[in-house]
Amino acid sequence: GIQVEQSPPDLILQEGANSTLRCNFSDSVNNLQWFHQNPWGQLINLFYIPSGTKQNGRLSATTVATERYSLLYISSSQTTDSGVYFCAVEHGSYIPTFGRGTSLIVHP
Amino acid sequence: DAGVTQSPTHLIKTRGQQVTLRCSPISGHKSVSWYQQVLGQGPQFIFQYYEKEERGRGNFPDRFSARQFPNYSSELNVNALLLGDSALYLCASSLERGEQFFGPGTRLTVL
Repeated sequence: GIQVEQSPPDLILQEGANSTLRCNFSDSVNNLQWFHQNPWGQLINLFYIPSGTKQNGRLSATTVATERYSLLYISSSQTTDSGVYFCAVEHGSYIPTFGRGTSLIVHP
Repeated sequence: DAGVTQSPTHLIKTRGQQVTLRCSPISGHKSVSWYQQVLGQGPQFIFQYYEKEERGRGNFPDRFSARQFPNYSSELNVNALLLGDSALYLCASSLERGEQFFGPGTRLTVL
């Protein structure tokens, strides 16, 4: 099956810093989503971005499907950005595959 | 509009027992997927149903089964529970394919 690698696995920032999270995948994809999982386990949709660039406030994402990667940018980070960020892809069949996530801690 | 709902929120069972988890999708969504998430890992796909038919199955044993009802709600059943089945079980809904929206999850503890 398709492999999804997220980096870095852990990230610690001071409030106000910027960061870039990466998602590499081993094959072509027809769907790609970024999620933020809060401490209570809820997965919150950030972006549905199988290709191209999108922005939502301080967050933006870019997927370069031909080179098999996606980037999530967080600018001016806040303590509420803490949590685990997941990339999930779908390749061909109806079997979505998640990466192992990037755990982000933002200190005040 | 209501999002995806799941019940119960927490559940404690003993080894060998059976459990049923329930999920109601967003109104208008016809596809429901189930995931298992153990601590420190990403969600693992279990099943996807669309229009009451199984459309995808992950690498889980036959102890796991699911169904979707005419109102598009879904149940996940797990028989002969093992300690390793302790996890957060997540349900997601989507229109048909594409963007998925997740419920709050059911946290299952097997003792």
